[in-house]
Amino acid sequence: GNSVTQMEGPVTLSEEAFLTINCTYTATGYPSLFWYVQYPGEGLQLLLKATKADDKGSNKGFEATYRKETTSFHLEKGSVQVSDSAVYFCALTSFEGGGNKLTFGTGTQLKVEL
Amino acid sequence: DVKVTQSSRYLVKRTGEKVFLECVQDMDHENMFWYRQDPGLGLRLIYFSYDVKMKEKGDIPEGYSVSREKKERFSLILESASTNQTSMYLCASRPHGAKYGYTFGSGTRLTVV
Repeated sequence: GNSVTQMEGPVTLSEEAFLTINCTYTATGYPSLFWYVQYPGEGLQLLLKATKADDKGSNKGFEATYRKETTSFHLEKGSVQVSDSAVYFCALTSFEGGGNKLTFGTGTQLKVEL
Repeated sequence: DVKVTQSSRYLVKRTGEKVFLECVQDMDHENMFWYRQDPGLGLRLIYFSYDVKMKEKGDIPEGYSVSREKKERFSLILESASTNQTSMYLCASRPHGAKYGYTFGSGTRLTVV
């Protein structure tokens, strides 16, 4: 079946540091890949997505590239801000794996300090 | 802007009460989902529905039921609330098609006392 593995958190960075949150996946077929962000006390918001190999999703300075050869979709940002403090979830969906549902990773908490 | 609206942000109920959590979406999505989120356990799927009057059990359906009488509304029912159902409940919807993600509601923080 489908699965998503994210790096354990919390990740603590200083403001303006470079961010990488690793995400690898196992899936049948050709999944679509997503990053969601959850701010404290809120629901999840779609941050970015990529629907085929070598696609790059980007939004609000965050980027992730769909790497089929390494089954990865790592989230990156060049310079984080305190306001980026949140929990980040990697997710996938595919037709072959039961396309109605998303499979989520366990989430990685990011804390950005001044 | 597309929306998924959950009827309550915070709810406090007593043990044994029947609890209804309501979710409405305005995007004409076929699929709707209920998750609960607990620290250290991530997101766990309770129930989902891919069409009106259709429902499928997720990973943790025990103690819950759902209702989908109209396409835009998906209700989660706690038949007899217990303290171990204290949690954050998240509703989501998505259209058919693997390239689409979920749109989530803001969540309902339920406390059962």
